[in-house]
Amino acid sequence: AQSVTQLDSQVPVFEEAPVELRCNYSSSVSVYLFWYVQYPNQGLQLLLKYLSGSTLVKGINGFEAEFNKSQTSFHLRKPSVHISDTAEYFCAVSEGVRDDKIIFGKGTRLHILP
Amino acid sequence: DSGVTQTPKHLITATGQRVTLRCSPRSGDLSVYWYQQSLDQGLQFLIQYYNGEERAKGNILERFSAQQFPDLHSELNLSSLELGDSALYFCASSVGLSDTQYFGPGTRLTVL
Repeated sequence: AQSVTQLDSQVPVFEEAPVELRCNYSSSVSVYLFWYVQYPNQGLQLLLKYLSGSTLVKGINGFEAEFNKSQTSFHLRKPSVHISDTAEYFCAVSEGVRDDKIIFGKGTRLHILP
Repeated sequence: DSGVTQTPKHLITATGQRVTLRCSPRSGDLSVYWYQQSLDQGLQFLIQYYNGEERAKGNILERFSAQQFPDLHSELNLSSLELGDSALYFCASSVGLSDTQYFGPGTRLTVL
């Protein structure tokens, strides 16, 4: 069965600094990988997804993530964060056509410091 | 705005009661998913329907049930409510199977 680990529950970072949110997954088969963002008092919004092809995936709001099969990781990065990026970020995995369930990590809260 | 609507936004009820949460998927989406988000359990997949049929089941309690109607809207029924059922309940929809899921704004359930 697949699982997702987000190693950091909270990440503080100064405005305009780069950030990396870490995500590791485990699965015995090929996976689809996702990053979702949840702004305060809102639902989840898809940031980006990896289904196949290029391992570097670009998403909305300047975020990107790199799929690394050998390290079973899908870390999320942004070169320069803004105060509006304050939110909770969820990494998720699905086994795709084998299984429609999406398993979410516990989330990483991104705090932008002025 | 994802195009997925959920009602009500907030619900306050007492232990032992029964409530129904409603979800309308995006136009054209056939799959509906239900999730529970709580502080201690995080975001948990409950159940998925595809074109009216149950497709996948996650950590859904026996006290909970769901269905998807012919017009594709879905309802999640929670009965014999306990304090621990207090959570945010999200609905998501997708075009087909294994497609990108779009989330609604959620229903916040408080059980007193």
